[in-house]
Amino acid sequence: GQQVMQIPQYQHVQEGEDFTTYCNSSTTLSNIQWYKQRPGGHPVFLIQLVKSGEVKKQKRLTFQFGEAKKNSSLHITATQTTDVGTYFCAGQRGAQKLVFGQGTRLTINP
Amino acid sequence: DTEVTQTPKHLVMGMTNKKSLKCEQHMGHRAMYWYKQKAKKPPELMFVYSYEKLSINESVPSRFSPECPNSSLLNLHLHALQPEDSALYLCASSQARVGQPQHFGDGTRLSIL
Repeated sequence: GQQVMQIPQYQHVQEGEDFTTYCNSSTTLSNIQWYKQRPGGHPVFLIQLVKSGEVKKQKRLTFQFGEAKKNSSLHITATQTTDVGTYFCAGQRGAQKLVFGQGTRLTINP
Repeated sequence: DTEVTQTPKHLVMGMTNKKSLKCEQHMGHRAMYWYKQKAKKPPELMFVYSYEKLSINESVPSRFSPECPNSSLLNLHLHALQPEDSALYLCASSQARVGQPQHFGDGTRLSIL
């Protein structure tokens, strides 16, 4: 079945450092979505990428979708303590269900 | 603030009890989902309703029984649960098609004694 691998599992950074998490799918995706879950909270939708090679920015967050539509990344520039949480990618193939990656848990030293 | 409302927020029940989790959304979404999430794990899909019809059942044990009374409401009926069923149960909704960006509720934290 479809799998979405996400690395790293954990990342600890100093406040102000950059952070990147990567997702890789075993199959070509129709779209990939990113969610953030704060400690004790629920997943919150961040963005959806649909086009091959797409790059989208939200303030300090940059999202990329690979040319082959099999991988994606989320990069945060100059992390802040409000960025703490677990970031999940979720890929969809065709009209099938979303498959979530294992998540990257980001902790920040202020 | 969430536009998907789940009740109760916490539930403790014995293995012989029957209880229900409730979920409500008023965004006009036509796809609704139940997920189970264990600590430090991703959400695990259980059921999907599309236009009030069950479209996906991820081989969930029959002790979990979903119900979609109308386009705004989603229930999850629980009976004879096991301790390993203790988890955060998340409801989500999306506009129409399965897999579109999802809005999650705060979840019900379920503990089975």
